Amino acid sequence: AQSVTQLGSHVSVSEGALVLLRCNYSSSVPPYLFWYVQYPNQGLQLLLKYTTGATLVKGINGFEAEFKKSETSFHLTKPSAHMSDAAEYFCAVSDQTNDMRFGAGTRLTVKP
Amino acid sequence: GAVVSQHPSRVICKSGTSVKIECRSLDFQATTMFWYRQFPKQSLMLMATSNEGSKATYEQGVEKDKFLINHASLTLSTLTVTSAHPEDSSFYICSASIAGGRNEQFFGPGTRLTVL
Repeated sequence: AQSVTQLGSHVSVSEGALVLLRCNYSSSVPPYLFWYVQYPNQGLQLLLKYTTGATLVKGINGFEAEFKKSETSFHLTKPSAHMSDAAEYFCAVSDQTNDMRFGAGTRLTVKP
Repeated sequence: GAVVSQHPSRVICKSGTSVKIECRSLDFQATTMFWYRQFPKQSLMLMATSNEGSKATYEQGVEKDKFLINHASLTLSTLTVTSAHPEDSSFYICSASIAGGRNEQFFGPGTRLTVL
């Protein structure tokens, strides 16, 4: 069975600062990893995903994540935060079937 | 592409009534659809997985007689909350995946259910 741990339920950064949202996973098979963003009262939007190949994955809105097998991590970063980045972010892992498990989520606040 | 819609987006009902939520894949055929429940400030909890034409597979602890799921076609799945109670109030999100689509799930916008 796979699982995801997101460190930090709430992260606050200043506008223009680096965004780092942490995600560690557990999987008995090579994982597929995802980051989703959720705005209030909306569904989830895919930011980026890792399946195979290049371990540094670039997504939408300037976000990127790096798959580090040795650290079982898939942290999400963005060099410069924008006010519109304020949202809830979910890391998810799939074991190459349709079974996807989500982390508890990290709420990102961006201060002006 | 890969758009999933949900209807209604918001519903308020009286305790004891049943509510049906529709999930549609608009521009692709969804071999598998998923229903999630999300409580305020919490993560998504998978309720059930449904494949077109077969019975849904429910997660442990989810009452199949209370949360009826029908996946009658490759573009439509419905979730019916039967005899709703205030504790069923929640945000319900569906998602759909494409056969051979590398496990990505496409999410609907969610349905806010409030049971009075």
